[in-house]
Amino acid sequence: NAGVTQTPKFQVLKTGQSMTLQCAQDMNHNSMYWYRQDPGMGLRLIYYSASEGTTDKGEVPNGYNVSRLNKREFSLRLESAAPSQTSVYFCASSEYITDTQYFGPGTRLTVL
Amino acid sequence: AQSVSQHNHHVILSEAASLELGCNYSYGGTVNLFWYVQYPGQHLQLLLKYFSGDPLVKGIKGFEAEFIKSKFSFNLRKPSVQWSDTAEYFCAVTPFSLAYGGATNKLIFGTGTLLAVQP
Repeated sequence: NAGVTQTPKFQVLKTGQSMTLQCAQDMNHNSMYWYRQDPGMGLRLIYYSASEGTTDKGEVPNGYNVSRLNKREFSLRLESAAPSQTSVYFCASSEYITDTQYFGPGTRLTVL
Repeated sequence: AQSVSQHNHHVILSEAASLELGCNYSYGGTVNLFWYVQYPGQHLQLLLKYFSGDPLVKGIKGFEAEFIKSKFSFNLRKPSVQWSDTAEYFCAVTPFSLAYGGATNKLIFGTGTLLAVQP
């Protein structure tokens, strides 16, 4: 039981490049989330998927898109990376929207 | 504004000292409350949670927290810290009114408290 897995662990991009962060969970959870963590700001929700087939914007969605590929997988795409998107990105999942969230190990992204 | 406040941003303690980290939130109605911990270089892990029942909840590694509804608080405590407790601690709240009301934020985090325990 791996929990929540994320790939890649580290990534360096140049401004304007695109990339997709992958997330998968093996706990049969309904809800999945993408957060970014910046120093002094805690975690901020980018997008979430309350259940398979649905996605919704979180607090800071600009510059990102998501896909809930199936119940297990939830990807985050940066279409045209900007230095302001340098951050650590965490994926999380929970059985229901108000339940305990379980976090992946994170992706440290640097945009030059 | 609706928020979760952690008043201590950086705490330094010696081993065996007692710990109390403050957390206050500004939502009325039903809430689920959490404390998460992030050890250096690791991902967030659940320390403890309160959904209902006894307002004094016990978590892993000797941590406990008390929900005081009248004060909108959920403070974290540990009687005697160890060097291995060095980590960043996040309080988080899920207000049901937001979670089921279509708001953009479901689990609202505080800005975190960095705890350094000196051996």
